[in-house]
Amino acid sequence: QVQLVESGGGVVQPGGSLRLSCAASGFSFSSYDMHWVRQAPGKGLEWVAFIQYDGSSKYFADSVKGRFTISRDNSKNTLYLQMNSLRAEDTAVYSCARDSTRGAFDIWGQGTLVTVSS
Amino acid sequence: SSMLTQDPAVSVALGQTVRITCQGDILRSYYAHWYQQKPGQAPILLIYVKDNRPSGIPDRFSGSGSGNTASLTITGAQAEDEADYYCHSRDTDGNHWVFGGGTKLTVL
Repeated sequence: QVQLVESGGGVVQPGGSLRLSCAASGFSFSSYDMHWVRQAPGKGLEWVAFIQYDGSSKYFADSVKGRFTISRDNSKNTLYLQMNSLRAEDTAVYSCARDSTRGAFDIWGQGTLVTVSS
Repeated sequence: SSMLTQDPAVSVALGQTVRITCQGDILRSYYAHWYQQKPGQAPILLIYVKDNRPSGIPDRFSGSGSGNTASLTITGAQAEDEADYYCHSRDTDGNHWVFGGGTKLTVL
């Protein structure tokens, strides 16, 4: 069964850090580019970050550039999002998504909630 | 970065046809994809590369597009189609991805 499962969310104070994980199963993780997407409460989808299948290219939304980093461990079939200098506006459900090679995100995880609050 | 614009809300009578549109200059360079999201659930890919349906997606969902506009059409809307719909594409620089603001579909 093709699946993505996120973990690592929680409550963090402004300026704090958090690392999210996304465990992949049921497909050849090392063959696919991956993304992180977030959704603030009651709001729409916002693309956050991209990593190429081999980790050689990484891109970030302007809203998180310089604060977030993306990485992957293909030996563990796991994607990561390191979030530093967190702000209240980073509060959202963070989901990982598989890039289908046609540019569409064909598999999504259920997401993990990050709340930035004092 | 560039934007994709969607109508915030659309309604359709049960069994009728509805079109949801997405506009943005980036659609002149990259195809649009469409997702359905129901409350508390992860988005589901409905249409990719303008007019292709993944396996398991009912054929009442179809996609089209020309120029700076992409459209998702639901022919014979069902009660279970009530959801939020998002268009999505790649930005012209190739290094960013963009979602539309979403359209909330109500089936009357």
